[in-house]
Amino acid sequence: NAGVTQTPKFQVLKTGQSMTLQCAQDMNHEYMSWYRQDPGMGLRLIHYSVGAGITDQGEVPNGYNVSRSTTEDFPLRLLSAAPSQTSVYFCASSYEATNEKLFFGSGTQLSVL
Amino acid sequence: KNEVEQSPQNLTAQEGEFITINCSYSVGISALHWLQQHPGGGIVSLFMLSSGKKKHGRLIATINIQEKHSSLHITASHPRDSAVYICAVSKGSQGNLIFGKGTKLSVKP
Repeated sequence: NAGVTQTPKFQVLKTGQSMTLQCAQDMNHEYMSWYRQDPGMGLRLIHYSVGAGITDQGEVPNGYNVSRSTTEDFPLRLLSAAPSQTSVYFCASSYEATNEKLFFGSGTQLSVL
Repeated sequence: KNEVEQSPQNLTAQEGEFITINCSYSVGISALHWLQQHPGGGIVSLFMLSSGKKKHGRLIATINIQEKHSSLHITASHPRDSAVYICAVSKGSQGNLIFGKGTKLSVKP
C-alpha cells in the first residue's frame, strides 16, 4: 500500500491562477480531509468527505473547492489563488469518520505571489 | 481562548530524560489524537484515545475526560524524538478535528 499520496510537494502560483492539489489513498478509507498549516497556528480543516459523492465544509473553506467522485481520490481546487492561501496543505484519511486513526499525506508547500 | 491548549510550546531536553507534554481542551470530545510532525514536515499519528492510557514503545499517552486533559510522555528520550507533537480533539460524529498549536521538542545528545 502506498498510503496517502499527495501531489505536488511544492508549487508556486501567481495571484489569480487556479490549480488542483491531488490526494489519493489506496486503503479504502471512507473519510478524507484537507487541512492547511500556517505558522503559529494549528492545522485547520478546509473541507472533508465521509464517502464518495459526499463533501462538506470545514473551518476555512472560502476560496477552495472539492469533489469526491471515487473513494480513492479527493482533489482540492484553488479557484483564484490569493497570497492569503500561501500555506502548507495536508490531506488525510481514515477508515471511518469517527474516532479512527488518521493517515496523512506528505504535504504540499504552496506559495502565491 | 483556543479550544485546545498545549504546554509547553517549546521544550529542550537532554538525551535520556523523561518528557511530558500536556494538552488541555475546553469542549466535549469523542476522542483525542496525538500526532508527531518531523522536521521534514510529515505527520504521523501516534495515538488515538478516548479514555485511560495507551503505550507504544517509549511513548505513553493518558487522558482524563473529567479534567479535560491529556498527557504524552516519552521515556528515555533520544535525539530522534525531536519533532513537533500535536494534540487534536475530535468532537461530533463527523470526526472533525480541532488541533493544538503543537509543542516543539528538541532532544540534545
